[in-house]
Amino acid sequence: KAGVTQTPRYLIKTRGQQVTLSCSPISGHRSVSWYQQTPGQGLQFLFEYFSETQRNKGNFPGRFSGRQFSNSRSEMNVSTLELGDSALYLCASRGASMNTEAFFGQGTRLTVV
Amino acid sequence: AQTVTQSQPEMSVQEAETVTLSCTYDTSESNYYLFWYKQPPSRQMILVIRQEAYKQQNATENRFSVNFQKAAKSFSLKISDSQLGDTAMYFCAFVPITGANSKLTFGKGITLSVRP
Repeated sequence: KAGVTQTPRYLIKTRGQQVTLSCSPISGHRSVSWYQQTPGQGLQFLFEYFSETQRNKGNFPGRFSGRQFSNSRSEMNVSTLELGDSALYLCASRGASMNTEAFFGQGTRLTVV
Repeated sequence: AQTVTQSQPEMSVQEAETVTLSCTYDTSESNYYLFWYKQPPSRQMILVIRQEAYKQQNATENRFSVNFQKAAKSFSLKISDSQLGDTAMYFCAFVPITGANSKLTFGKGITLSVRP
């Protein structure tokens, strides 16, 4: 059974640009959540989708958005990139219940220059 | 709101020895899951062990075991016979079993180094 797949693995963008990250969950999983990981702030929750609906949202500005498709794949978009958006972005999937353990992808390392 | 605290930023252990990583949490929930995740240099977060709060028995997975003290809101991870591959960051995490707030709450993590 394939795990959680995130693409791309690495990205370098310029301030002001926008970026889209992709996440394919474990087959059969309907929940996808996104986390931002930085050395200073640790792991911070961005949002979670279940069956194409956003179920929870963290405290991030509106520049951060996401969506989930009918095949459970999810995308996260960051517009007007800032230097502080440089981070490891982790995607996690869960099965039928959102209130259980999550399985993570290898992450996308975003660098904003 | 839930909080998870890992007060030790770094620890070091000799190969083959035993090490215990500490975690405390705060919640008003009565039913929840607690997890330990491992993040090696490859960056992928790997689930190490899971504990259901309604179970009194401490969870065990091979060389990994927990000491779960619900009243004290403490959840420590013991790694026995440490191996070089155990070198990683370890995160303690919490999620309520029911309710709309299903996000995982993580601690800041602890960097564990296993010395040869």
